[in-house]
Amino acid sequence: GESVGLHLPTLSVQEGDNSIINCAYSNSASDYFIWYKQESGKGPQFIIDIRSNMDKRQGQRVTVLLNKTVKHLSLQIAATQPGDSAVYFCAEPLSGGYNKLIFGAGTRLAVHP
Amino acid sequence: KAGVTQTPRYLIKTRGQQVTLSCSPISGHRSVSWYQQTPGQGLQFLFEYFSETQRNKGNFPGRFSGRQFSNSRSEMNVSTLELGDSALYLCASSWDTSGRAIQYFGAGTRLSVL
Repeated sequence: GESVGLHLPTLSVQEGDNSIINCAYSNSASDYFIWYKQESGKGPQFIIDIRSNMDKRQGQRVTVLLNKTVKHLSLQIAATQPGDSAVYFCAEPLSGGYNKLIFGAGTRLAVHP
Repeated sequence: KAGVTQTPRYLIKTRGQQVTLSCSPISGHRSVSWYQQTPGQGLQFLFEYFSETQRNKGNFPGRFSGRQFSNSRSEMNVSTLELGDSALYLCASSWDTSGRAIQYFGAGTRLSVL
């Protein structure tokens, strides 16, 4: 497949395990964060978002945790499946609107049977 | 409902040439954003169009331009291509009224500059 990032950090997990993908941000005024998933040969796909007035938000098999004190957020994937293999990006809107996103470098998740 | 469609999927050009990429957003979406993705720089915002007007612009040289038509379809153009312009160019569309950053991305156009 097409290369998204040649030297991305990689998280390798066994199928069925829980996965935790981390992201740090620098701007203490940031108030909204989003997680995207990019599979090989495809564009990014929205997973879940969270606003700074929340510490935790849950979706289907995914949970995002936000720690504003240390400027850190994480994406937890429960019972990881082979179809979860992808590159995961945290993102936040730049000033100017929700359609102007700045993406983190990404983490590659490799799920092994 | 059809997703975001980008054409062509692959392009090979030589330095100095110009190129035009096309994006058809999801029906009803009025906002179209463009991103450049490279292994070294990651995903970088190029510009956003809304109702035929450029609403936001990233930090790219003037060689990168775009436009949006009345049917919300968008094109981006890169003139005087450089080797460093080789990248995956992604288009994303959104409702723009949800108050959330939910963008729907196309599969991208992979541009190789030789």
